[in-house]
Amino acid sequence: GAGVSQTPSNKVTEKGKYVELRCDPISGHTALYWYRQSLGQGPEFLIYFQGTGAADDSGLPNDRFFAVRPEGSVSTLKIQRTERGDSAVYLCASSSLAGGPWQETQYFGPGTRLLVL
Amino acid sequence: GNSVTQMEGPVTLSEEAFLTINCTYTATGYPSLFWYVQYPGEGLQLLLKATKADDKGSNKGFEATYRKETTSFHLEKGSVQVSDSAVYFCALTSGTYKYIFGTGTRLKVLA
Repeated sequence: GAGVSQTPSNKVTEKGKYVELRCDPISGHTALYWYRQSLGQGPEFLIYFQGTGAADDSGLPNDRFFAVRPEGSVSTLKIQRTERGDSAVYLCASSSLAGGPWQETQYFGPGTRLLVL
Repeated sequence: GNSVTQMEGPVTLSEEAFLTINCTYTATGYPSLFWYVQYPGEGLQLLLKATKADDKGSNKGFEATYRKETTSFHLEKGSVQVSDSAVYFCALTSGTYKYIFGTGTRLKVLA
């Protein structure tokens, strides 16, 4: 079946603008995660959805970042008043929650590369 | 807090050489440990995992053993190929669904 897909693959915007990044998880996966990967670094956790609700948003850096998953499938990460420091690759992952946290495998999408000028 | 430390790259090897990429961790409780690989232009892919002490994860000729006494999960392969050139990430979860990743180690294999 299809993997996790993310759109757009690249996004260039100007400082101060608003952007939306979309994630389509693997069909049937209950859990969805957003991570941010800066150049030369490993991915850093942003937010985790279980179904429609954000179960853990402790990684969101500030209130300019917001994410939704209204129907428990597709998710959108929204960034307001973008800053140059927001430039990074934004990764989405999904998992089935078939096992507990100690067994879970997350499946990652190809990412959206965001560049804020 | 929980953390993962990986050896810095890049690691450059000749084809058929032996590979070790070191990974050590700090975690509360009993973490699960993962190795992910990112090939050029592609997303992160799970390479192998281990969910309890002394477990050995293996896939595509790669192996890693969960060593609780040394808090390590080193990645090894006996004979690397050019196609193994990629960035390798060590990661853990510990009681939550949140992955903690290392900074990644770039491997370059020369023909």
